[in-house]
Amino acid sequence: SSELTQDPAVSVALGQTVRITCQGDSLRSYSTSWYQQKPGQVPILVIYDKTIRPSGIPDRFSGSSSGNTASLTIAGAQAEDEADYYCNSRDSSGNHFVFGSGTKVTVL
Amino acid sequence: QVQLQESGPGLVKPSETLSLTCAVSGGSVSSGSHFWSWIRQPPGKGLEWIGYIYSSGNTNYNPSLKSRLTISLDTSKNQFSLKVRSVTAADTAVYYCARDNGDGYNLAYWGQGTLVTVSS
Repeated sequence: SSELTQDPAVSVALGQTVRITCQGDSLRSYSTSWYQQKPGQVPILVIYDKTIRPSGIPDRFSGSSSGNTASLTIAGAQAEDEADYYCNSRDSSGNHFVFGSGTKVTVL
Repeated sequence: QVQLQESGPGLVKPSETLSLTCAVSGGSVSSGSHFWSWIRQPPGKGLEWIGYIYSSGNTNYNPSLKSRLTISLDTSKNQFSLKVRSVTAADTAVYYCARDNGDGYNLAYWGQGTLVTVSS
């Protein structure tokens, strides 16, 4: 099991807001990045350093962090946002990296 | 724009060594300060961090795989490689190579991935 825990699946109505969380003790000390992976495609970096959005990523994607929990929020979810989302940060030792277990987002 | 492309056998026999190469274009593996990484994804499952080699040559491996792993740089060919020894069916996965964005361990550039199946 991953040291970074994510809900397996969440659903959101088209145009509504959804928050995806990632929990782990290491998140109190280290930054988090988030990746979007659509079926059959390569993961894409959507948020890094907890809150920074790479160029080309829509501004409906935002990140935040508090204590041992990092969050990715999609405000006004679109059909094309339906994908698996993974968080990434250091493990509990701080010496290595680990991906979260992933959250499947379904847009209804 | 950095581009990465994995290559290697798609089928490996159990107990043998899995060897993959990631060819880099649009940048040099020997310049700058970057994390040249490997990630894998078993069919239908999530992403698993394998490890990286830093531009300096320092490596960092997933502790659960460390005893079987080698990641190396080949500056003459502008590529980096992954070797996983003593493979089993559990090593069957799509293997991705990736590089950071130059601002920490944020994997902004990914190869297309290559499926490696471990089977006799």
